[in-house]
Formats: sequence, C-alpha cells, structure tokens
Amino acid sequence: DTEVTQTPKHLVMGMTNKKSLKCEQHMGHRAMYWYKQKAKKPPELMFVYSYEKLSINESVPSRFSPECPNSSLLNLHLHALQPEDSALYLCASSQQDRDYLYGYTFGSGTRLTVV
Amino acid sequence: RKEVEQDPGPFNVPEGATVAFNCTYSNSASQSFFWYRQDCRKEPKLLMSVYSSGNEDGRFTAQLNRASQYISLLIRDSKLSDSATYLCVVNAETGRRALTFGSGTRLQVQP
Repeated sequence: DTEVTQTPKHLVMGMTNKKSLKCEQHMGHRAMYWYKQKAKKPPELMFVYSYEKLSINESVPSRFSPECPNSSLLNLHLHALQPEDSALYLCASSQQDRDYLYGYTFGSGTRLTVV
Repeated sequence: RKEVEQDPGPFNVPEGATVAFNCTYSNSASQSFFWYRQDCRKEPKLLMSVYSSGNEDGRFTAQLNRASQYISLLIRDSKLSDSATYLCVVNAETGRRALTFGSGTRLQVQP
C-alpha cells in the first residue's frame, strides 16, 4: 500500500459547524503533515507530527486542531471556521529518517468550502 | 527574499520542445531537493529527487548547483501530458523537518 487516503474528498460547512478531516496511511511512515493550499498558490505547511507527537505548528489559528491517534492516522478538527479558510487541505506522510531521499507522499486532499 | 523562488511562467511550448525551469533557494544549508508535479485540482506528486551529482529519469533531468543555490529541471521532447505546474521543493530551514514549496512554474505544452 503506497497511498495516503484522505476523507472526505469534498466538504461544505457553515461557520458554526464542527467537522473533522481524516488521513490514513499504511506505509509505516512515522512523519505526517497537514498542508493548506489556496487556488494558484503552493501548499503551505500547517502541522507536522513525528512519531505521533506534534513537532511543528506553523502558528495556525486554534480553530484548526490536529490529532494523531496512532502511527497510521492523522485528523484535523475544524471549528468555527471563516470563509477565508476555504482551501484544499492536503495530508502527507514520509519515512521519518529518509524523507531527504524520498520526499513526501500526498493524499488527494479535502476540498473545503466554508459558507 | 523568499525561501524558494520560481518563475511562475506560464511556459507555452510546442510538443517536442525542450524546456528548462530554474529554482533558487535561500538557505545554503539545505540538503533535500525535489521536483513535484501538480495537475489542476490534484495533489502534488513527486517527479524526482535532485541529487548533488545531477540525475536523469527518462526525458527529465535535474541538476543542483550548490554554489549558486539553484536547482533546475530539464524536460526533453515535451508531451501534451507534461502540461502541469512544476513545484520546486526544498528543506528550506536548517534543523527543521519540513519541506517548503516554491510557488510553482506552469507549463503548457501545445499541439
């Protein structure tokens, strides 16, 4: 299995809703990432988990709350989002000590629209 | 100065043409370099890693110039299917396990 699976693929939510994005990989990767990508812009790093511990938070607003329940799963909990948070949310994973060789594997993303 | 800079393009080339993209990075201590390809409304996909000695994969050749802090991607015999955005990716910050993406170069191969 060489895939990163993200669900849902599309999500429309109101500003008062609570929703979660899910990401799963079974490649034995111990580093997992959330990126946000706006139209015609590059992906921007949000969070990094290394061995299930949060190692980088790029000063992301608290309305985004990441969680890594185990080495295969990564969640992003959303609450009280703003319309400007509408974007493609990408999950990625990498081999902890070999990402300098092999880079990251990305999931197909969740396209989020906040109304 | 941005950590990773690319010419946004678009590069419009005919089928069969050779096209080259450059990317500059600001951190001289960067160790990891990649080219990713991203199709419209899809996720980025790894095209190739870039090694110090340069490397080739079929029609694609990547080069690293550490002295000038740039990497390049050469595509020979362009195909229509090569049309995409090409993202230069670097571990831009020393001691930080995270990759930084350039803004991407858009390539449009025309029949």
